[in-house]
Amino acid sequence: GAVVSQHPSRVICKSGTSVKIECRSLDFQATTMFWYRQFPKQSLMLMATSNEGSKATYEQGVEKDKFLINHASLTLSTLTVTSAHPEDSSFYICSAIRDRGYGYTFGSGTRLTVV
Amino acid sequence: AQSVTQLDSHVSVSEGTPVLLRCNYSSSYSPSLFWYVQHPNKGLQLLLKYTSAATLVKGINGFEAEFKKSETSFHLTKPSAHMSDAAEYFCVVSVSGNTGKLIFGQGTTLQVKP
Repeated sequence: GAVVSQHPSRVICKSGTSVKIECRSLDFQATTMFWYRQFPKQSLMLMATSNEGSKATYEQGVEKDKFLINHASLTLSTLTVTSAHPEDSSFYICSAIRDRGYGYTFGSGTRLTVV
Repeated sequence: AQSVTQLDSHVSVSEGTPVLLRCNYSSSYSPSLFWYVQHPNKGLQLLLKYTSAATLVKGINGFEAEFKKSETSFHLTKPSAHMSDAAEYFCVVSVSGNTGKLIFGQGTTLQVKP
C-alpha cells in the first residue's frame, strides 16, 4: 500500500510554455502533499506544502505565481510550471502523507527540460 | 531549527565489505529521522525510520541505523555491500510541529566496486 503516482516521468517543453505535473495517491487519501525540486547531484529542496482544499504554503524564495499548486482532492495535487524557462529545468518530486504518524511516500519524479 | 549534515558526499566500497554512511542531526527536541535511497532519475525509497522507539532501527535490504542522542548521530550501516546498493542516500529529519515537512541532508553517493 501507500503508492504515489507521478506523471509525466519526463517532459520537454519550449521556453515560455507551461507544464503540468500530476501527483496522485493511489490507495490512500493524502491529507498533505509536498513538492520538491532537485538539481543535478544536489539534495531535495522543499518548494511548497499543499493541503486539500486550501492554498499551498510556499517556501521562502519560491515564486507562487510561477509554480502553481492545486490540491483539489485528497488524492490529487498538481504543480504547474508557468512560462517555463531553461533555468526551471530540474527534477521535481512529490510526496504525500496520510497522516504524520503513517509516513511519507514519494512519487517517482518528473524530469523537466525546458529548451 | 532542525538540520542534518551528511559527513561524506561520496563513499566508495568494494562489494562484500561493510557500508557506513554518516549523518549528524540538529534538533531542539526528540526528532524523527529517516534514511532514503534514490537510484538515478528515480523517486525516493524509504530504507528505515526512527521515531523515538528502539534506538537501533532495522530497515530494508539489510540496512540498519543507530540513533545516538549523545552524539546526535544517525549513521547508516550494512554489513556487506551489494552492487545494487550503488545509489544516492539521504538522511532526513522531520520539522517540529504539525507541518509534516522534511529537511534533507546533502546526500551521499555510494559507489560499490566489484
